[in-house]
Amino acid sequence: ETGVTQSPTHLIKTRGQQVTLRCSSQSGHNTVSWYQQALGQGPQFIFQYYREEENGRGNFPPRFSGLQFPNYSSELNVNALELDDSALYLCASSTRDRGSYEQYFGPGTRLTVT
Amino acid sequence: AQSVTQLGSHVSVSEGALVLLRCNYSSSVPPYLFWYVQYPNQGLQLLLKYTTGATLVKGINGFEAEFKKSETSFHLTKPSAHMSDAAEYFCAVRPEGYQKVTFGTGTKLQVIP
Repeated sequence: ETGVTQSPTHLIKTRGQQVTLRCSSQSGHNTVSWYQQALGQGPQFIFQYYREEENGRGNFPPRFSGLQFPNYSSELNVNALELDDSALYLCASSTRDRGSYEQYFGPGTRLTVT
Repeated sequence: AQSVTQLGSHVSVSEGALVLLRCNYSSSVPPYLFWYVQYPNQGLQLLLKYTTGATLVKGINGFEAEFKKSETSFHLTKPSAHMSDAAEYFCAVRPEGYQKVTFGTGTKLQVIP
């Protein structure tokens, strides 16, 4: 069983640029959630995708957007990057069908905005 | 709305001593509760979870937690700390029927030899 993978591992961008982060969910999982973890903080929920549709969103502006593909992999897009967007971005996959709501996390993408 | 409070951002214990990491939550509906561990430069690994049923939950690596509804608590314990337990621990809550998982700010556990 393949775990959750994320790419790239690290990324450096300039303020105002756009970035796309990728996540491959664990085999058999149909739900992907994205989190932002700033230094010294707990993860903050950005949004969740279930069967290719957004299904729940945290307190993040519209410049944070996402996609989920038919194979349940997902992308997180951030436009007009700001310095405060520097963080570890975590992807978590799960399956709602079993009702356990247990999430499995990837290793994260470390984004630095300069 | 739900929230999680973890008391103590840093906890130090001696190797072999009891580990107690505190977590209190608020939730307007029955909660699902989780403890995760994060090692440096890694993602989060699930230690244990409470959904329904038995309030004392056993997890991996000898950890356990007890759901106490009257105290709105879900404290994490381990009888005997090991050096490999040094990491950051996060408590999280997900209200039943909701998708959003709310995490606490984390507790860094230091194990002193």
